[in-house]
Amino acid sequence: DGGITQSPKYLFRKEGQNVTLSCEQNLNHDAMYWYRQDPGQGLRLIYYSQIVNDFQKGDIAEGYSVSREKKESFPLTVTSAQKNPTAFYLCASSNAQTGELFFGEGSRLTVL
Amino acid sequence: KQEVTQIPAALSVPEGENLVLNCSFTDSAIYNLQWFRQDPGKGLTSLLLIQSSQREQTSGRLNASLDKSSGRSTLYIAASQPGDSATYLCAVRPGGSEKLVFGKGTKLTVNP
Repeated sequence: DGGITQSPKYLFRKEGQNVTLSCEQNLNHDAMYWYRQDPGQGLRLIYYSQIVNDFQKGDIAEGYSVSREKKESFPLTVTSAQKNPTAFYLCASSNAQTGELFFGEGSRLTVL
Repeated sequence: KQEVTQIPAALSVPEGENLVLNCSFTDSAIYNLQWFRQDPGKGLTSLLLIQSSQREQTSGRLNASLDKSSGRSTLYIAASQPGDSATYLCAVRPGGSEKLVFGKGTKLTVNP
């Protein structure tokens, strides 16, 4: 089945540690996205990539980094510079022809 | 700047009722509009995608309409069921942009 796989589903981190969230898609989509979801704030765009080896900052990129070495993969690193990293992180990809967006199941990060 | 508003933030209805969820946007220059469903702790599931040239889309008991000139979309759910309980989000893709703009969602509860 085609889809987007995010891992891990739950992650706990101590303050000062970097963590990397995985996102893999087998939909053959060029564009991929990372969003952050907090209660009452809606979805906010962190980074997006329209093609391999290229990515752009979204609205809240500070404290995050990404790479896009393969079409299928778009990992997100939450660095120690991110002031409030506890959140639900969602990865998505979009169909180039229709613009339809598809999401993974999300990763919940908790900083202890 | 495009803004998307969903009112009400929460809605509770008895099972079997037909209902309408509303989405309004401030800039009519959109590429498409997409409705999603989100269950607690899960990712977003795409329900319906309406391209800017279309007026409506239907899938089963769901019907979404789009009126670009007035900046409005509605999601009609027929014969609601308890399994329809979820948060429904709409998002618009501004023309020429890869960055979707999301509303904050309407939390729907269908009571048995």
